[in-house]
Amino acid sequence: GIQVEQSPPDLILQEGANSTLRCNFSDSVNNLQWFHQNPWGQLINLFYIPSGTKQNGRLSATTVATERYSLLYISSSQTTDSGVYFCAVVWGTYKYIFGTGTRLKVLA
Amino acid sequence: EPEVTQTPSHQVTQMGQEVILRCVPISNHLYFYWYRQILGQKVEFLVSFYNNEISEKSEIFDDQFSVERPDGSNFTLKIRSTKLEDSAMYFCASSEGPITYEQYFGPGTRLTVT
Repeated sequence: GIQVEQSPPDLILQEGANSTLRCNFSDSVNNLQWFHQNPWGQLINLFYIPSGTKQNGRLSATTVATERYSLLYISSSQTTDSGVYFCAVVWGTYKYIFGTGTRLKVLA
Repeated sequence: EPEVTQTPSHQVTQMGQEVILRCVPISNHLYFYWYRQILGQKVEFLVSFYNNEISEKSEIFDDQFSVERPDGSNFTLKIRSTKLEDSAMYFCASSEGPITYEQYFGPGTRLTVT
């Protein structure tokens, strides 16, 4: 089956710093989303981005489907950005296959 | 903005009991899903549902589990005879269409089996 790997697995930042999170997938995909899981466990949808680039405030994402990766950029990080970031892909059928996650901690 | 809702937010049950987790998908969506996340692990697909039948299920979704759309708005996941290892966060999701359509996730139900 498809492998969805995220890097880095853990990241600690000072407030105000920028970061790039990466999602690599081992096969062509039909869909890709980025999620933020907050400390209460809720999954917050960040981007629906099967290809191209999108921006929403301090966050932006780029997916290069032909090269099988996606990047999530966080600029001017805030403590509320802390949590786990997942990418998820649809491969072949209906279901999302989630990546391994990047655990981000932003220090004040 | 329309959203997927789930009830309860937290459920505690004893081993061997049956639980029903409830979801209200976005009203014009036709595809419905359940996912599970054991604490500290990644989110895993359980089942997808369309046109009143299961369209795909994972190996996790065995005879202990069932799904139903009892009316025009609710989508439920039933777990019969719960086990300790069923303790997890359960997420419901819905989409307008399959495969290339965005899935919208609910806030989750945290199930604790004691």
